[in-house]
Amino acid sequence: SQQGEEDPQALSIQEGENATMNCSYKTSINNLQWYRQNSGRGLVHLILIRSNEREKHSGRLRVTLDTSKKSSSLLITASRAADTASYFCATDGGNNNDMRFGAGTRLTVKP
Amino acid sequence: DTAVSQTPKYLVTQMGNDKSIKCEQNLGHDTMYWYKQDSKKFLKIMFSYNNKELIINETVPNRFSPKSPDKAHLNLHINSLELGDSAVYFCASSPRIGLFGDEQFFGPGTRLTVL
Repeated sequence: SQQGEEDPQALSIQEGENATMNCSYKTSINNLQWYRQNSGRGLVHLILIRSNEREKHSGRLRVTLDTSKKSSSLLITASRAADTASYFCATDGGNNNDMRFGAGTRLTVKP
Repeated sequence: DTAVSQTPKYLVTQMGNDKSIKCEQNLGHDTMYWYKQDSKKFLKIMFSYNNKELIINETVPNRFSPKSPDKAHLNLHINSLELGDSAVYFCASSPRIGLFGDEQFFGPGTRLTVL
């Protein structure tokens, strides 16, 4: 069954602006991951945040996790046209032995 | 140098046919996965193999049969293809089973079109 749900489904911004995408999930987790998918390509891992962490940074990426609200956000600062892609969150479902992905947020960054 | 490779990249076939998609990873990972991504881009896990043993078999039709000759390969065989099987199929691998939160490495995908 689907675990993560991204919001919004689609986001369009101008180059240089920040992009924020949200993810909500249903069950307890050990960790949450964000992936990026360029059109017609496989997914690429961006960042992992564990359930005991609240915030994590990687370059222009900032991820937050609120386990009380069962939600996470991915912030991309100073966006570039090359950031145009779909972004997925994935959770491990707590005791499950698999990663559950949401339907993704389609981000378009206009030059 | 490709970490996770899939063949073929595109597969167009008639309803009722049997087809296979191959996947290989050269990362030395213990766990491999098959995912199906539908037209709405929702990514759903189908199978997970850990050291050649099936760990997950989500409620996919038994027309789908994964085969793992060794831990570097996880092939997907599909019998009696149906229109609803049209999707992009992704193979992935990770060092350990997903509970540990390891990053998953994805293949480029196989776009299956059933006519």
